Amino acid sequence: EPEVTQTPSHQVTQMGQEVILRCVPISNHLYFYWYRQILGQKVEFLVSFYNNEISEKSEIFDDQFSVERPDGSNFTLKIRSTKLEDSAMYFCASRGVVSGEKLFFGSGTQLSVL
Amino acid sequence: AQSVSQHNHHVILSEAASLELGCNYSYGGTVNLFWYVQYPGQHLQLLLKYFSGDPLVKGIKGFEAEFIKSKFSFNLRKPSVQWSDTAEYFCAVNALAAGNKLTFGGGTRVLVKP
Repeated sequence: EPEVTQTPSHQVTQMGQEVILRCVPISNHLYFYWYRQILGQKVEFLVSFYNNEISEKSEIFDDQFSVERPDGSNFTLKIRSTKLEDSAMYFCASRGVVSGEKLFFGSGTQLSVL
Repeated sequence: AQSVSQHNHHVILSEAASLELGCNYSYGGTVNLFWYVQYPGQHLQLLLKYFSGDPLVKGIKGFEAEFIKSKFSFNLRKPSVQWSDTAEYFCAVNALAAGNKLTFGGGTRVLVKP
């Protein structure tokens, strides 16, 4: 089965630093998503991206967050100035064009903000 | 806003016991329903999904779920669990009229004792 790949698997950063989490969605997918899971809490939607623009974002996705598809394969999440509460597992997901089709999730990047 | 509720946060049972995990959602429109599983140290994986048709859905690894529209429920079941079913289970709902993101329940941690 095709896979969504995420790098790095674990990122440690100092509070206030910028981080970029990278994702390579499945090649023919057109919808891209970022979710996160704070330890012990539920999986939360952050943002969806289609046709080179954000289609929806949650309250969590404030001005400190941005997403980009810099080339035809990568989909990145940038946190401009990390806070302690940004520590979480961040999941990238993608899907094809059929409405309601399942999301394929990556294995996640564990972000630890010290 | 749509919400997804999973009634049990933790379930402990012995091998060969039957498992049922509850999931209720609040959205009243047309919904697609999913159960995801996250094994220790691994990424989210799709167990099964419901889009339309037979409300009893069979998934991988012997799991099944039943969509009861009148109860806004999509409970997950397995007649006889194995130690390898130890994982966290997430119910998720995609309401098409509310955008194409998934909303996750809080998860249920299942521990199967050998």
